[in-house]
Amino acid sequence: AQSVAQPEDQVNVAEGNPLTVKCTYSVSGNPYLFWYVQYPNRGLQFLLKYITGDNLVKGSYGFEAEFNKSQTSFHLKKPSALVSDSALYFCAVRDSGSNYQLIWGAGTKLIIKP
Amino acid sequence: DTAVSQTPKYLVTQMGNDKSIKCEQNLGHDTMYWYKQDSKKFLKIMFSYNNKELIINETVPNRFSPKSPDKAHLNLHINSLELGDSAVYFCASSQGTAQGWNEQFFGPGTRLTVL
Repeated sequence: AQSVAQPEDQVNVAEGNPLTVKCTYSVSGNPYLFWYVQYPNRGLQFLLKYITGDNLVKGSYGFEAEFNKSQTSFHLKKPSALVSDSALYFCAVRDSGSNYQLIWGAGTKLIIKP
Repeated sequence: DTAVSQTPKYLVTQMGNDKSIKCEQNLGHDTMYWYKQDSKKFLKIMFSYNNKELIINETVPNRFSPKSPDKAHLNLHINSLELGDSAVYFCASSQGTAQGWNEQFFGPGTRLTVL
C-alpha cells in the first residue's frame, strides 16, 4: 500500500521569508515523489520530482525539496517567498516497485502576505 | 502552443442530461488521464489510458465513459448527470506509462455545474 500526507491545510508566510510545505509518505519500496502547484482557476503544473540520486532536488520558480528517507518526508522549500507563490500545492507519490498509480496529497494552500 | 487542451472550459447543465468533455494533447505522450477535483480541491484519478488502452479505471460510476479515438485524444462522456457530478475535471498526459516516473501535464480544467 502507499499513501501521502500533507499535514497542513494552509501555510501563511510573510513575503521575503523562507517557506516550507510539508509532505510525508508511505510506500513499501522506493518512492517516486512529485510536487505540483495549482494557481487559482488553473490546471496543475509540475514543480519538481525525486526519482533517485541527490536528496536535494531543485525545480521551477526557485523551489526545492529535500528527500529524507529516514523521516519519509519530501518537504517543499523556498528561501525567499514571493506573493506570486500563493497557490495550492500538491505532493504525490508512487511506489517505484509496484504497479500502483500515483497517489495525491490533499493539497496545502500557501498564502504569502506582503 | 497549448500542450493539453480541454473543451469546454465551463459546462452548465441540468440533472439527467448527457454531456461530453474533450481533451487533446500535442506533446506526443503515450498516457492520458482524467481527474476529478471536488469543491475541497481534493484530486481523484478517474481513468488512465496508455496508447488508447484503458489502464486505470477507478471506482467511478459507469455513467462515466472515457473514449480514446487516438493517442492524442481522451474524451469523457457522462450520462444522466447528477448534482454530485459538479466539479472541475482535469485532463492530463505523460510520457511513458502511468506507472513510470514522468511528470504529468495538466489541461486548464472543465468546470461542470449540474443544476
